[in-house]
Amino acid sequence: QQQVKQSPQSLIVQKGGISIINCAYENTAFDYFPWYQQFPGKGPALLIAIRPDVSEKKEGRFTISFNKSAKQFSLHIMDSQPGDSATYFCAASTSGSARQLTFGSGTQLTVLP
Amino acid sequence: KAGVTQTPRYLIKTRGQQVTLSCSPISGHRSVSWYQQTPGQGLQFLFEYFSETQRNKGNFPGRFSGRQFSNSRSEMNVSTLELGDSALYLCASSLSGDNTGELFFGEGSRLTVL
Repeated sequence: QQQVKQSPQSLIVQKGGISIINCAYENTAFDYFPWYQQFPGKGPALLIAIRPDVSEKKEGRFTISFNKSAKQFSLHIMDSQPGDSATYFCAASTSGSARQLTFGSGTQLTVLP
Repeated sequence: KAGVTQTPRYLIKTRGQQVTLSCSPISGHRSVSWYQQTPGQGLQFLFEYFSETQRNKGNFPGRFSGRQFSNSRSEMNVSTLELGDSALYLCASSLSGDNTGELFFGEGSRLTVL
């Protein structure tokens, strides 16, 4: 019940295209859903996060869409750039254990020039 | 502002040995969390410390332990190393009293167990 399922495992997109990564969760107690970006040799870095009281959050080219009834959330990267090539992780946590993130398995994004 | 600093960055140990990893959080951050990252299991939560007290613990055996000092620096220890302990160990810090999961990760300590 703690699992967060992420898909696809890998994604190749042309420069300027839209990258979409999906996650699904089971634990209805989750109330914080961040996305992290990780480059090789680096630790994950927070990209954008959402709480279930909103259905969408946008920050620049990055948008999270959240569907509470379906227990799904997704990351959309608009106008994808080669510099966006990295591994993306969705995650979830509860208010009572805010720093105990349950991570998805990761999506390796490659943006072709 | 300096980020999260982890030492050592790389280390090689043999089975049965023990290892201690160190983490210095961002100045002002009082919460330190530890995660294990492997290709097979992904990112898994180990434990979180706040004001020298362990607040949460993940599903890892007792060989994995940690502590936090009064200056918020943290160490984690793995005893009786097994081959499966080979991983990237990530430390993350966050603001005290923060109700979000906004973690600031270090670059990790890569442990290889031979």
